[in-house]
Amino acid sequence: ETGVTQTPRHLVMGMTNKKSLKCEQHLGHNAMYWYKQSAKKPLELMFVYSLEERVENNSVPSRFSPECPNSSHLFLHLHTLQPEDSALYLCASSQRGHDEQFFGPGTRLTVL
Amino acid sequence: AQSVTQLGSHVSVSEGALVLLRCNYSSSVPPYLFWYVQYPNQGLQLLLKYTSAATLVKGINGFEAEFKKSETSFHLTKPSAHMSDAAEYFCAVTSGGGADGLTFGKGTHLIIQP
Repeated sequence: ETGVTQTPRHLVMGMTNKKSLKCEQHLGHNAMYWYKQSAKKPLELMFVYSLEERVENNSVPSRFSPECPNSSHLFLHLHTLQPEDSALYLCASSQRGHDEQFFGPGTRLTVL
Repeated sequence: AQSVTQLGSHVSVSEGALVLLRCNYSSSVPPYLFWYVQYPNQGLQLLLKYTSAATLVKGINGFEAEFKKSETSFHLTKPSAHMSDAAEYFCAVTSGGGADGLTFGKGTHLIIQP
């Protein structure tokens, strides 16, 4: 695998389900990000992890819970989501001191 | 606070014509600016970036952008459009320093007419 990978690519879940999105970067980076891309809205930064510590949480509802167990892996745990949470969730990584972010292909989430 | 405005949610050009996608930014500190492209069902791919070096930046696939501080602009251009350029284009800004999130514009959908 190369670059940034995300699994699953598609996910359909009910409002009472619990699921997790996984991101893995193979670039040796030390910062990782979650973004949300909704229809007709700008890409929104959700979480930033730098050196495995969360450094930013942009007022994201608590039904989204991130986890960064090491510099290569990032998870987004989902529980009791709402239909308006349906979106493309993008993971990105970068190297501290550099500003270029590399994106994964995204997970298309549908909440029924 | 930072923000990005992309003028025109849809831009249509003929194949072989000039492509011009507009981006204006607002930043209280010297900005780092980026253009990303997104093809259907894919993530974002970096086209080019401005990080306070040369004001005219060349990127992949024949695209370039010019940073104009006086106009707070970072417009993306390509001399001759190709059918494969049809995609969504995003302008983004950050304050730099690494591990800062990007602030994105709403995106411009580029349509190429045969």
